[in-house]
Amino acid sequence: AQSVAQPEDQVNVAEGNPLTVKCTYSVSGNPYLFWYVQYPNRGLQFLLKYITGDNLVKGSYGFEAEFNKSQTSFHLKKPSALVSDSALYFCAVRDATDSWGKLQFGAGTQVVVTP
Amino acid sequence: GAGVSQSPSNKVTEKGKDVELRCDPISGHTALYWYRQSLGQGLEFLIYFQGNSAPDKSGLPSDRFSAERTGGSVSTLTIQRTQQEDSAVYLCASSFMPGQGSNQPQHFGDGTRLSIL
Repeated sequence: AQSVAQPEDQVNVAEGNPLTVKCTYSVSGNPYLFWYVQYPNRGLQFLLKYITGDNLVKGSYGFEAEFNKSQTSFHLKKPSALVSDSALYFCAVRDATDSWGKLQFGAGTQVVVTP
Repeated sequence: GAGVSQSPSNKVTEKGKDVELRCDPISGHTALYWYRQSLGQGLEFLIYFQGNSAPDKSGLPSDRFSAERTGGSVSTLTIQRTQQEDSAVYLCASSFMPGQGSNQPQHFGDGTRLSIL
């Protein structure tokens, strides 16, 4: 079985400061990891993924995430947050050996960036 | 269109009525997924289609819920005898060639906001 934990319901950060959204996971095999963002009244938008290779993954809108196998973490980061980054962020994992690629989503973290 | 399209975007209906939600996936995407999202909550998996077949229906909450997919494209999610607890946003996603080893992300529509009075 696979699972994802996003330990923070909400993250508050001032505009221009670094933003970090935490995610830890559990899978039986090798993980495929994803981050999505959801703006109000919209569907989820894909930000980035880790499949293999370099532990630091760069994605859309200046976001990046660092895969840490020993800590089973995949934290999302942005060096300088914008007010427009305020949204709901979801981490998701799937086991690379799963037969059909079911994604397990975390509960989501609300990011609030204040001017 | 270029993305996943869902209709209607909003649906208000009376308790006990049947509703049908539609999802038009990205062209060429063989996999299609339905999720339910209650207000401000995470995603609840409902059902997955590979082509026209549904290998995993484990998330459907009751026998009032059913889904089909025809021609490997459009899917409809039907809720019969709706209850107030069915009120939620229903999201559809599609992806290209899932299965063992696939690393393709899912692409989401904007959802149908269902309100049961």
